[in-house]
Amino acid sequence: DTGVSQDPRHKITKRGQNVTFRCDPISEHNRLYWYRQTLGQGPEFLTYFQNEAQLEKSRLLSDRFSAERPKGSFSTLEIQRTEQGDSAMYLCASRSSFWTQGDNSPLHFGNGTRLTVT
Amino acid sequence: GENVEQHPSTLSVQEGDSAVIKCTYSDSASNYFPWYKQELGKGPQLIIDIRSNVGEKKDQRIAVTLNKTAKHFSLHITETQPEDSAVYFCAAEGNAGGTSYGKLTFGQGTILTVHP
Repeated sequence: DTGVSQDPRHKITKRGQNVTFRCDPISEHNRLYWYRQTLGQGPEFLTYFQNEAQLEKSRLLSDRFSAERPKGSFSTLEIQRTEQGDSAMYLCASRSSFWTQGDNSPLHFGNGTRLTVT
Repeated sequence: GENVEQHPSTLSVQEGDSAVIKCTYSDSASNYFPWYKQELGKGPQLIIDIRSNVGEKKDQRIAVTLNKTAKHFSLHITETQPEDSAVYFCAAEGNAGGTSYGKLTFGQGTILTVHP
């Protein structure tokens, strides 16, 4: 299966610690997204990359959050000085921008990393 | 920015019945409307999508309708089965060149339960 892969699946950390998550997109996809999902809610957009360029960041992405995609392949999302409010599912998704002009290509999600901050 | 409202928040049906989930959106520039199914412990899985140049799309037991004038779209599942039980999300996105292009805005989700 060459779907979107996320690691780890679960992470429990203490408040104030730093955590880093990894996402490997579908290999031919040049766009990579990070979303956050809290219990009972739909996914909320955080940021996205086209190749290695970070094109947009949500205001939800505080300065404690940083995302990178250094070689345009995998991506990492780091949260510094974690807070209890950071507890959520962090979802990665990917798509191709090489689609029929003007159309939107399907966005495929991974199974997420569930973060619990104690 | 875009705002997507979804209802009902929960839906319970008997196996074999139909299920309908409705969404409204605020940005008239939105033109791409996917639907996702999310099972416990998994990420959202794309099940069907529709673009603004069509009013209806069908894939086996699943269909989606779009009313651009009223800015609402709906998911229809016929002959429901217990394995259809999951959380369903609608989403909206603008086309290339628009301000809402590049990211999906999701509804709040509908918990569908199909009783055998």
